[in-house]
Amino acid sequence: AQSVTQLGSHVSVSEGALVLLRCNYSSSVPPYLFWYVQYPNQGLQLLLKYTTGATLVKGINGFEAEFKKSETSFHLTKPSAHMSDAAEYFCAVSQGNAGNMLTFGGGTRLMVKP
Amino acid sequence: KAGVTQTPRYLIKTRGQQVTLSCSPISGHRSVSWYQQTPGQGLQFLFEYFSETQRNKGNFPGRFSGRQFSNSRSEMNVSTLELGDSALYLCASSFTGTATNEKLFFGSGTQLSVL
Repeated sequence: AQSVTQLGSHVSVSEGALVLLRCNYSSSVPPYLFWYVQYPNQGLQLLLKYTTGATLVKGINGFEAEFKKSETSFHLTKPSAHMSDAAEYFCAVSQGNAGNMLTFGGGTRLMVKP
Repeated sequence: KAGVTQTPRYLIKTRGQQVTLSCSPISGHRSVSWYQQTPGQGLQFLFEYFSETQRNKGNFPGRFSGRQFSNSRSEMNVSTLELGDSALYLCASSFTGTATNEKLFFGSGTQLSVL
């Protein structure tokens, strides 16, 4: 069975500060990892994903994440937070043969202070 | 190009009733997945349909069912509603249903309240 743990249900940063959202996974097979963002009253939007290859993955809106197998982590970062980044962020894991069946973490609500 | 469309946007039902939610995927997408989102349990996978066949199923009771039509539109049905079924139900679509190889597009969801 696979699972995802997101440390910190709420994270608050100042505008212009570094954003770091933590995600650790548990998987018995090589995982495929995703970060999604959800704005209020909207569905989820893919930020980035790791399947194979380069462990540093760049996504939309200036976000990136690094896959660290030794630490079973896939933390999401952005060098400089913007007010528009305020949203809920979800880390998810999938097995390669599982279609669109994703296992999500509990989510982290990012708040950006002016 | 229209996105994933879910109807209705909001729904209020009482315990014991049944409900049907609808999802129209992006044109050309043949895979439709359903997720339940609640404050307590988070996002949980319900099931996935591809070319009218259920391909994967999550750990939900048999009261939760779904189907997909030949035009790829999908419906999910919940019978004998319970208070705990109150949730945001999200639908997602993609071309072939392989999240690792392609992008999954989500609708805005149907907010179901059970009273």
